[in-house]
Amino acid sequence: GENVEQHPSTLSVQEGDSAVIKCTYSDSASNYFPWYKQELGKGPQLIIDIRSNVGEKKDQRIAVTLNKTAKHFSLHITETQPEDSAVYFCAASIAVYNFNKFYFGSGTKLNVKP
Amino acid sequence: KAGVTQTPRYLIKTRGQQVTLSCSPISGHRSVSWYQQTPGQGLQFLFEYFSETQRNKGNFPGRFSGRQFSNSRSEMNVSTLELGDSALYLCASSLIGDRGANEQFFGPGTRLTVL
Repeated sequence: GENVEQHPSTLSVQEGDSAVIKCTYSDSASNYFPWYKQELGKGPQLIIDIRSNVGEKKDQRIAVTLNKTAKHFSLHITETQPEDSAVYFCAASIAVYNFNKFYFGSGTKLNVKP
Repeated sequence: KAGVTQTPRYLIKTRGQQVTLSCSPISGHRSVSWYQQTPGQGLQFLFEYFSETQRNKGNFPGRFSGRQFSNSRSEMNVSTLELGDSALYLCASSLIGDRGANEQFFGPGTRLTVL
């Protein structure tokens, strides 16, 4: 089955700096890659996603890039703010017709220091 | 539109008891998935329901079961609770369409503590 690895497990940056979180996947059939932000005491919140027919997607301060050949994708957060502090999860999904199966990375705890 | 809701939010049980958790998906979403989240194992897939049928199941013992009702609401049951079942149980819903991969939206979770 699919295996998703996520690095780093913890990341500490100064407010205003950029943060990059990387994930690799093993199954070339994966075609949908969402990123989730989980704050303390809450469920994961979908913040951005990318499909396999796209190489890059941006939404304000966050962007995701996908390299299908190398089987890796990354989350980029620019101009980080203290409210960006949370645990971030990547996932890879194999979609067959109308059914998805999601495989999650182990999470990255991001700490943005004011 | 209201998000995914889960009840109860917190639950304390003792070993050997059973528990039922409830999930109401986003209106119009017919797929409901359940996950177990623990600090050591991360997010692990339990099962997925669509139109009252379990379509996919993760690698959990038979003590973990679920069902889905005609209004897409879902319940998850854990019988003969063990200490290791202490976790955050997350429900996620998806709008099933015909364009392949579908976004999955999570609820706030139910924090289960087994004493």
